[in-house]
Amino acid sequence: QSALTQPPSASGSPGQSVTISCTGTSNDVGGHIWVSWYQQHPGKVPKLIIFEVSKRPSGVPNRFSGSRSGNTASLTVSGLQTEDEADYYCSSYAGSHILLFGGGTKLTVL
Amino acid sequence: EVQLMESGGGLVQPGGSLRLSCVASGLTLRNYVMHWVRQAPGKGLVWVARISNDGSDPGYADSVKGRFITFREDAKNTLYLQMDSLRAEDTAMYYCMDYGLNWGQGTLVTVSS
Repeated sequence: QSALTQPPSASGSPGQSVTISCTGTSNDVGGHIWVSWYQQHPGKVPKLIIFEVSKRPSGVPNRFSGSRSGNTASLTVSGLQTEDEADYYCSSYAGSHILLFGGGTKLTVL
Repeated sequence: EVQLMESGGGLVQPGGSLRLSCVASGLTLRNYVMHWVRQAPGKGLVWVARISNDGSDPGYADSVKGRFITFREDAKNTLYLQMDSLRAEDTAMYYCMDYGLNWGQGTLVTVSS
């Protein structure tokens, strides 16, 4: 049960786009649709922003988008806003009733 | 409106036990797969355990297998995490969540002598 691999940090200026990667294996990210992304502001509860690789829950701005290529999922935040500064986590079902999270990426809006 | 509310956290000595509860409102737990997720201070999210909607097929992270058990009491619409043989590395905020959309506020577990 190894954690999914995310870069520890990412950054961008307001209005720019930034992409965060989440790398796993064919047993998790590459093998299931159950790939999700969460946003967590300091001291707050995580918030689901992407589920099933690329779907957005109601109320999540379409500036957030998800995709997948092979064993790597990606979260793209377009038109960066200051309130997007937060920690982002990916997760994936890994078979055998196991769920994995990535180590998290701290997004800084410069 | 869906609400999940955890309780039962606190300070416990190494080797001790705690039982966490997650009471649901606006959501019937027996209709959902439910998860426990923890977050150590200043660290990332870590999945701990899951229980299927019919209460069978629990799943556990290797780090807690054999020490933690999750179960549900449908009459109370409550999910539980029984934690035994606690270690310092189990110190964390513990959250219950459904498939990810709904999370509780968390309950803090501190394992220390």
